[in-house]
This record gives sequence, C-alpha cells and structure tokens, in this order.
Amino acid sequence: DAMVIQNPRYQVTQFGKPVTLSCSQTLNHNVMYWYQQKSSQAPKLLFHYYDKDFNNEADTPDNFQSRRPNTSFCFLDIRSPGLGDAAMYLCATSRDLGSGYTFGSGTRLTVV
Amino acid sequence: GQQLNQSPQSMFIQEGEDVSMNCTSSSIFNTWLWYKQEPGEGPVLLIALYKAGELTSNGRLTAQFGITRKDSFLNISASIPSDVGIYFCAGPFGNEKLTFGTGTRLTIIP
Repeated sequence: DAMVIQNPRYQVTQFGKPVTLSCSQTLNHNVMYWYQQKSSQAPKLLFHYYDKDFNNEADTPDNFQSRRPNTSFCFLDIRSPGLGDAAMYLCATSRDLGSGYTFGSGTRLTVV
Repeated sequence: GQQLNQSPQSMFIQEGEDVSMNCTSSSIFNTWLWYKQEPGEGPVLLIALYKAGELTSNGRLTAQFGITRKDSFLNISASIPSDVGIYFCAGPFGNEKLTFGTGTRLTIIP
C-alpha cells in the first residue's frame, strides 16, 4: 500500500512557468518534508512542515514555496522554474522530527 | 552543517561478491540510517542503528554503528543483480532533520 504518494511521477514544465508538485500521505504523520535531489547527488532538504508550522532551510531559494492545507497534503510550488531546477523532488513524512521517515517515489521535474 | 562522507563513491562488482561501504561524519551521531535508492524511486530504509557498537542485520545486509559514533559501515553479502542502486547513509535523529551522505553507487556485473 502506497503511504506517501507523489503526483505526478514525471513533470515537464517550461522555463519560467509556475509548476506545482503534490504529495499526500495516509500515515497521519505530523511532519512533511520536501527534498531536492539532482543527478548523482544526495537529497537536499528544502523545507518542512511540522503540523502547520513552516520551516524553511536557510539556503532554499525564494523561488521555492510550499503549502500544507491539511495533514494529508503538502504542495511544492516553483514560481519561476529555471533549467537548474530540473531534479527529482522527494516528499517524506515522519510522525515527529525524531522518528522514522517514509519517502514517496518522487517527481522528476524537467524544465524545457 | 553536518557532513556525511561515504566511500567508495562507486563500486563495480561481480554477482556473488561481498560488498562493503562506509560513512563518516565530522560530528557525533545518535542514530545511523542506511537507505537504498533505485533509479526513479525514493530512498527506502534498509537498516537503522541506535547505539554505538550496535551490529544489525537485515537478510544479506549487515550494518554497524561505530564506537566513536562518527562512522558506520554497511556490508552486503553474496550480491545479486537487484542490489544495484545508490546506498545512502543518513542521520541524525533526535529532534534533528535528516541529512544524507554523498552516496555509494553499486553496479553488479553479471
């Protein structure tokens, strides 16, 4: 059973055209994370929500925003995608900051 | 910030061989995690280690939490084709966000 679901699996967007990636979870976890992973690199944390509290990483560009309308859903918005934003975007959840993470299968974003 | 360095960066081994990789940190960790990521998928947790010196197995996989709490290793015995992927160490837990290591890419030669 899929517990962290990311849609779509593949997304192609035009340079500069806003794009939204979605993540949903059936685990009722408090924390939801967004990671960016470029080819052959480790996942890099962009931000996380602890319940409704948004926590941005210091080096996350302003171009990246997030929304969490309810416990189950979290969205990643890229306001003006550049070629350098092409990457795999991974959503993860955990019950608490100190507990185990469950990852989704990711959305691979291509910018043309 | 905390850095996790993995070695080797990549491995090419023949099917049936054993594999060993490690992860070192510039600071002490309270927990070590080992993940495997297959192409086009998210990371999947393989083994979690919670105590210095702990040795834990999961099938053909064995991982150990170093005594100094600054390193960990992962061994895979009798490798098979489906072991192909990138292996990441990660940590820490304890009110901290997950940081990933640099990864070890494993390729199996038939």
